[in-house]
Amino acid sequence: RKEVEQDPGPFNVPEGATVAFNCTYSNSASQSFFWYRQDCRKEPKLLMSVYSSGNEDGRFTAQLNRASQYISLLIRDSKLSDSATYLCVVNGGGSTLGRLYFGRGTQLTVWP
Amino acid sequence: EAGVTQSPTHLIKTRGQQATLRCSPISGHTSVYWYQQALGLGLQFLLWYDEGEERNRGNFPPRFSGRQFPNYSSELNVNALELEDSALYLCASSGPGAGNREQYFGPGTRLTVT
Repeated sequence: RKEVEQDPGPFNVPEGATVAFNCTYSNSASQSFFWYRQDCRKEPKLLMSVYSSGNEDGRFTAQLNRASQYISLLIRDSKLSDSATYLCVVNGGGSTLGRLYFGRGTQLTVWP
Repeated sequence: EAGVTQSPTHLIKTRGQQATLRCSPISGHTSVYWYQQALGLGLQFLLWYDEGEERNRGNFPPRFSGRQFPNYSSELNVNALELEDSALYLCASSGPGAGNREQYFGPGTRLTVT
């Protein structure tokens, strides 16, 4: 079983749409959770950390459910510049602390 | 504030040679992490260094090694290069902590083995 399972998409949405991404993780010892975005042939860039209480950064809202080991990202009012691959990322925890485990990514294309 | 920097940008080697990749973390960060991203695959964790010590290692053979210098910069060495080592090698850094902080990535070194 993969450490992080992520909805592969792709998602193709018009500008202004709301889109949601989901992922699950397998290691219950994991302590920190993130969403990164990666543009084609570029390095991943941290989008936001994810907390149990849920957190919001402008148009982006992230949620974590530890009981079901589930993470989500909601993007409201999509912009053309949101087109990228979104990576669900989990820190290993326990003996694998320090290791980030990446989902395969969900590709988002926002069209005008 | 300068981000994570890596050198060289591109590196071309032949099978059996050695490659050395370099990384400078964000100022104030003490931890450096190395990842491999092979074409069509996700990022795979290689190594984590903190305060000059190796803290964790991924499932890679011993010919992948590295070190961290007193100024927190780091080197990744790959010995006896194989064709399947061709990949983008990404370095990340994070602030002091227990290894569960946000990691910030550099632009990577693209290694091609022929």
